[in-house]
Amino acid sequence: DAGVTQSPTHLIKTRGQQVTLRCSPKSGHDTVSWYQQALGQGPQFIFQYYEEEERQRGNFPDRFSGHQFPNYSSELNVNALLLGDSALYLCASSLAGDRYNQPQHFGDGTRLSIL
Amino acid sequence: AQSVAQPEDQVNVAEGNPLTVKCTYSVSGNPYLFWYVQYPNRGLQFLLKYITGDNLVKGSYGFEAEFNKSQTSFHLKKPSALVSDSALYFCAVDSNSGYALNFGKGTSLLVTP
Repeated sequence: DAGVTQSPTHLIKTRGQQVTLRCSPKSGHDTVSWYQQALGQGPQFIFQYYEEEERQRGNFPDRFSGHQFPNYSSELNVNALLLGDSALYLCASSLAGDRYNQPQHFGDGTRLSIL
Repeated sequence: AQSVAQPEDQVNVAEGNPLTVKCTYSVSGNPYLFWYVQYPNRGLQFLLKYITGDNLVKGSYGFEAEFNKSQTSFHLKKPSALVSDSALYFCAVDSNSGYALNFGKGTSLLVTP
């Protein structure tokens, strides 16, 4: 049973560039959430996608956008990268109809470094 | 807003001794609380959750947590620590919308032989 997979594992970009991160949810899950984890901090919620729509958004600027595909996989896009965007980006999946019986399952993340 | 606080940046314990990692919460309504563990260069692994019912929740790898409504706490415990338990532990609370998890800043647990 495949868990949550994210790609790439590491990425280096320069300020002003754009980046796309990818996530495949755990088998059977239909909801994908994205979190940003800065060094030494807890994960911060970016947004959640369900049925190919953004269902909720955290306190992140419009430079952060996402997409969910019909197969439930998801992308996180960040435009006009800033040094402060350097972080571990975590994808989590869950089953929408089973909110409290299944917790969110996390991937190993993409480490994004901005130079 | 739903939030949790982890008052300790680091907890040190000797192998074989009991361990406690503290978490307090601030919520409106009933809290839905979680503990996750993160090993170096890895994502978060789910340990246990409290939704309703018994105040003592048992989870993975021998961990348990005690929900205390009067003290608004949800401390993580293990009767006998292992060196392999050394990791970063996060307490989290489900947001009011039910879609986001709000995490604490994490507590680093170091178990020494």
